[in-house]
Amino acid sequence: EIVLTQSPGTLSLSPGERATLSCRASQSVSSNYLAWYQQKPGQAPRLLIYGASSRATGIPDRFSGSGSGTDFTLTISRLEPEDFAVYYCQQYGSSPITFGQGTRLEIK
Amino acid sequence: EVQLVESGGGLVKPGGSLRLSCAASGFTFRSYSMNWVRQAPGKGLEWVSSISSSSSYIYYADSVKGRFTISRDNAKNSLYLQMSGLRAEDTAVYYCARDGFLTTVVTALFDYWGQGTLVTVSS
Repeated sequence: EIVLTQSPGTLSLSPGERATLSCRASQSVSSNYLAWYQQKPGQAPRLLIYGASSRATGIPDRFSGSGSGTDFTLTISRLEPEDFAVYYCQQYGSSPITFGQGTRLEIK
Repeated sequence: EVQLVESGGGLVKPGGSLRLSCAASGFTFRSYSMNWVRQAPGKGLEWVSSISSSSSYIYYADSVKGRFTISRDNAKNSLYLQMSGLRAEDTAVYYCARDGFLTTVVTALFDYWGQGTLVTVSS
């Protein structure tokens, strides 16, 4: 099983700042099948990034994904008020499908 | 517009059974693999089960294997999760999620999610 470790656990930033979230895998993610999701309180997760770096439909270009192998990053270039949420990475390259434990992005 | 609406959650005693349903609309249901993902209160996301478009491929997390059964009815645009032998640790919001790629196999990339249905296992 691939274990995904996200860091930091909590990130405190102000609107307009740049956010960098990390996701490290315990072994290489097959074909870089790594996705990022955003979840706000009381809502279902929303797909942001798939294939490590492809934005999902309708996702603003301030969200970008990068990385390969075992190290992946989600970057939000300029934080908007609606971006404060919990972010999860997920690998879908091998079974069982696994998620990271999440990074909480909070307003400073 | 893609819509996924889960139902069937509720309070059940340990060892009991429950059947969840997910009604799909706004897309060609029979062409997509489907999935169940759960989230315990205040916790992270956990993949539960996946089923391919024609039900040829079915997968389960080890934590539910032998107790849960995923199925679908393409004529009714519906996905199901039959849960038995329920335990306290199965308490969670259960989400139905569509596979992100139009293929005959499961990719388990979740591009659309329902709002979830809460299952509480308690005596």
